[in-house]
Amino acid sequence: EVQLVESGGDLVQPGGSLRLSCAASGFTFRSYAMSWVRQAPGKGLEWVSGISGNGGSTYSADSVRGRFTISRDNSKTSLYLQMNSLSAEDTAVYYCAKGVQLWLDYFDSWGQGTLVTVSS
Amino acid sequence: DIQMTQSPSTLSASVGDRVTITCRASQSITSSLAWYQQKPGKAPNLLIYKASSLESGVPSRFSASGSGTEFTLTISSLQPEDFATYYCQQYHSYSSFGPGTKVDIK
Repeated sequence: EVQLVESGGDLVQPGGSLRLSCAASGFTFRSYAMSWVRQAPGKGLEWVSGISGNGGSTYSADSVRGRFTISRDNSKTSLYLQMNSLSAEDTAVYYCAKGVQLWLDYFDSWGQGTLVTVSS
Repeated sequence: DIQMTQSPSTLSASVGDRVTITCRASQSITSSLAWYQQKPGKAPNLLIYKASSLESGVPSRFSASGSGTEFTLTISSLQPEDFATYYCQQYHSYSSFGPGTKVDIK
């Protein structure tokens, strides 16, 4: 059974940094692209960033490019999102999502989400 | 970037109704489209991929069609557990989601 467990969400001040983690199990982690998708309170889904199975290719949405960095450690079957220069607009539940092949596509499994709140 | 739109934004329906949601892309995405269902406080759940392929375990009352820039999701006979928000997602060029369609009780 695929399991994705996010952690690292917290209350952080504007301008601060935070690192999210997603622990994956139940599948061959290195064989699949992974993404972070966020959802602001009461709003829709926003794709944030994606990474290929081997970690060699990454891409981020315009709203976070230059501030957020996605990475993965296939030896630890873990996905990460380093978030810098946070603002109130980054407040959201952040989901880790599994793709179905090596590069970006649709998501067949999701974690339960971790809440990031940016506020002073 | 590819922009996705959905209509309607809210749909009021009754159990047993046939429901159709439309998703449009700002440029052709061929058949690189997925549909998700999300209930309050829960993660999204994949319903449809490649525009019309039903994900394993999803009830057959869900169906979808389309290609290029216009797509539809249909629920043939709405069940109580189907009241939720539905999102389309394109994965032709990176990824982006539509704004969602909330299906609520009439």
